[in-house]
Amino acid sequence: EPEVTQTPSHQVTQMGQEVILRCVPISNHLYFYWYRQILGQKVEFLVSFYNNEISEKSEIFDDQFSVERPDGSNFTLKIRSTKLEDSAMYFCASSEGQGPNTEAFFGQGTRLTVV
Amino acid sequence: AQSVSQHNHHVILSEAASLELGCNYSYGGTVNLFWYVQYPGQHLQLLLKYFSGDPLVKGIKGFEAEFIKSKFSFNLRKPSVQWSDTAEYFCAVNARPGTYKYIFGTGTRLKVLA
Repeated sequence: EPEVTQTPSHQVTQMGQEVILRCVPISNHLYFYWYRQILGQKVEFLVSFYNNEISEKSEIFDDQFSVERPDGSNFTLKIRSTKLEDSAMYFCASSEGQGPNTEAFFGQGTRLTVV
Repeated sequence: AQSVSQHNHHVILSEAASLELGCNYSYGGTVNLFWYVQYPGQHLQLLLKYFSGDPLVKGIKGFEAEFIKSKFSFNLRKPSVQWSDTAEYFCAVNARPGTYKYIFGTGTRLKVLA
């Protein structure tokens, strides 16, 4: 069964450092998403991406964040200068389309710990 | 603002017990509703979804959910849980059908004792 894969599963980084979280969406999917979950809080939408550009982003997704599809398979989330409050589980998701009969598939998440 | 509430944060049950997890949302318009499950170390997996039609939705692994529009609720049920149902369960609402900007609840961590 095709699945969304994320690497690494756990990343520890020092405050102020840049991190790149990687995702390989399902191969025929066209829409990509990042969500995050701070420990004990809700899963929150960060950004959606289609046709090589951001289609929607939340208030959380400020200038410190960026997304990229550097090649035909990877979808990355970069945090330029990490803060302690960026510590969270980050989920990547992808979907074939955006119609009501399509489904978003999620990866297993990357746990980011900023120290 | 749109929000989703899951009132049970931790639930512990014995095998064969019945399960009901509450989910309420605040949004007056058309919504799509989802329940996801995350087993330890694994990805979020769709259990079931409601878009329209029969408000009683059946999903995988014997789960079902009932959409009650008047109560803004979409509670998840299973008549008899198994140890393998131990996981975290997330309710999600898509208040803009046609996009996947989900609004998630905080999740319910279910532990089933063998």
